[in-house]
Amino acid sequence: GDSVTQMEGPVTLSEEACLTINCTYTATGYPSLFWYVQYPGEGLQLLLKATKADDKGSNKGFEATYRKETTSFHLEKGSVQVSDSAVYFCALNNNNDMRFGAGTRLTVKP
Amino acid sequence: DAGVIQSPRHEVTEMGQEVTLRCKPISGHNSLFWYRQTMMRGLELLIYFNNNVPIDDSGMPEDRFSAKMPNASFSTLKIQPSEPRDSAVYFCASNIGLNTEAFFGQGTRLTVV
Repeated sequence: GDSVTQMEGPVTLSEEACLTINCTYTATGYPSLFWYVQYPGEGLQLLLKATKADDKGSNKGFEATYRKETTSFHLEKGSVQVSDSAVYFCALNNNNDMRFGAGTRLTVKP
Repeated sequence: DAGVIQSPRHEVTEMGQEVTLRCKPISGHNSLFWYRQTMMRGLELLIYFNNNVPIDDSGMPEDRFSAKMPNASFSTLKIQPSEPRDSAVYFCASNIGLNTEAFFGQGTRLTVV
């Protein structure tokens, strides 16, 4: 079946550092890809999405590009802030079979 | 729209009791998902409905778990009898169509003592 594998955490960075969280997927067909963010005590919120190959999703300084040739959707941000501290989930939706990675906890220190 | 609404936010119950979790999806969304989140197992899909019909319930742990969607605006997840290992955060999510993003509720934190 379809699956998502993402970089294990936790990840700890200093403010203004660069962030990359790796995500690869296995799927048949043409899934849509997503990054979600979860803050403590809250549900998952959509951060960005891409629906086809070579699409770039972006939001709040975060970016990810749908790479079909490498089956990847890595999350990047050039300069992280303390407020970015959260758990990040990579996900795919393939005909409503929605799969999530294990999540990566990011802590940004001042 | 108020988003996906779940109730209760927190539930503490004794082992053996029946627990019912409730979800109201976003109006106009035709798919609804129930997930369970634990530290050990991460986010697990329990069941999803399309147009109120259960499509995939392969993630439901065992017969103690059941889910219903009597209409487009309401779903329940029931555990009977509950056990301590059922303690987790249960999320409901909905989306508008195939391959689209799912919108999550705030979750119900269930503690079975």
